[in-house]
Amino acid sequence: GQQLNQSPQSMFIQEGEDVSMNCTSSSIFNTWLWYKQDPGEGPVLLIALYKAGELTSNGRLTAQFGITRKDSFLNISASIPSDVGIYFCAGVTSGSRLTFGEGTQLTVNP
Amino acid sequence: DTGVSQNPRHKITKRGQNVTFRCDPISEHNRLYWYRQTLGQGPEFLTYFQNEAQLEKSRLLSDRFSAERPKGSFSTLEIQRTEQGDSAMYLCASGTRGDPRREQFFGPGTRLTVL
Repeated sequence: GQQLNQSPQSMFIQEGEDVSMNCTSSSIFNTWLWYKQDPGEGPVLLIALYKAGELTSNGRLTAQFGITRKDSFLNISASIPSDVGIYFCAGVTSGSRLTFGEGTQLTVNP
Repeated sequence: DTGVSQNPRHKITKRGQNVTFRCDPISEHNRLYWYRQTLGQGPEFLTYFQNEAQLEKSRLLSDRFSAERPKGSFSTLEIQRTEQGDSAMYLCASGTRGDPRREQFFGPGTRLTVL
């Protein structure tokens, strides 16, 4: 079963607003990955984080790897309609499997 | 297109039938992963291969499920005697052993509906 708690489950925002979502875990992860998934498609990798405390940006997206290695957050600035979708966090331990959160459904109203 | 591809994209079958899905990874990737995703949930790990060797299987992978990667390139996932609970999106991902970034890149998935 899932080990990551992702919040919020859903968000309804106006175009131009900033968005923040986060993931917490009872387990330590060595890598955090953030994906976006559109309906009927596979997840697309947005940002990857490799070191505790690391802050990484990709355009309007910014993500951080928590100091405790048990949490991560993703911020989206100045949201646009194409940001609509489901955002997933995923953690990687020393093995290879990804453990995913439950997802955050983002709706952006024009 | 050099991404991960999966076929078919959709499969509708009757309970009790066998189905097989195919995944073609990114060509230079030696690791291939299978995940299952049900509605409203994140993907859940099923199994992964390094080249042709199947290195790890989840407890989700019952004995009705079998995966192969015979030549270390494409992989197939077969489900025998399908049940309605097998209805889900089956996702394939690929990556590279030794990649410190541990990134996995997903295909578009195969949506299975068992009637």
